[in-house]
Amino acid sequence: GIQVEQSPPDLILQEGANSTLRCNFSDSVNNLQWFHQNPWGQLINLFYIPSGTKQNGRLSATTVATERYSLLYISSSQTTDSGVYFCAVERGGETSGSRLTFGEGTQLTVNP
Amino acid sequence: DAGVIQSPRHEVTEMGQEVTLRCKPISGHDYLFWYRQTMMRGLELLIYFNNNVPIDDSGMPEDRFSAKMPNASFSTLKIQPSEPRDSAVYFCASSSPSGGWNTGELFFGEGSRLTVL
Repeated sequence: GIQVEQSPPDLILQEGANSTLRCNFSDSVNNLQWFHQNPWGQLINLFYIPSGTKQNGRLSATTVATERYSLLYISSSQTTDSGVYFCAVERGGETSGSRLTFGEGTQLTVNP
Repeated sequence: DAGVIQSPRHEVTEMGQEVTLRCKPISGHDYLFWYRQTMMRGLELLIYFNNNVPIDDSGMPEDRFSAKMPNASFSTLKIQPSEPRDSAVYFCASSSPSGGWNTGELFFGEGSRLTVL
């Protein structure tokens, strides 16, 4: 199956700092999403971004599908950004049983 | 839309008891997924449905686990009999294909935290 690698596994920031999280995947995909799991355990959909660039407030994401990676940018980080960030990908196409494969996540801690 | 709705949010039971977790997907979504999350194994896909039909149940740990989707707006995950190692957070999620051949943008419920004593 498709492999998903996220880096770094852990990241500690001071409030106000910027950061970049990376997701590498081993095959072509037509579905890629970023999720944030907050300290209360909620899994929140951040971006659906199989290709291109999107922005939502202080967060933005870029997927370069041809080079098999995606980046999640967090600017001016806040303590509420803390949690685990997951990347998930899907090969799609006509392959039966196609569904999202999740990376191991990046644990982000933002200190005040 | 109310999002994916799961119940109960918390369940504490004793070993050997039957546990039933419930899920209402987002209206109009074709896919429904059940995941389990533990510290040791992370996020695992247990089973998923497309148009109420189970597509892949290879992640279901053993025969003690079963899942049903009797209609487009309701699914259950049942554990009988429950064991302490089943303690985890169980997430339900739903999606609808976005253009191409994929399962689409996934939305999670808030999860059901199960503790088996």
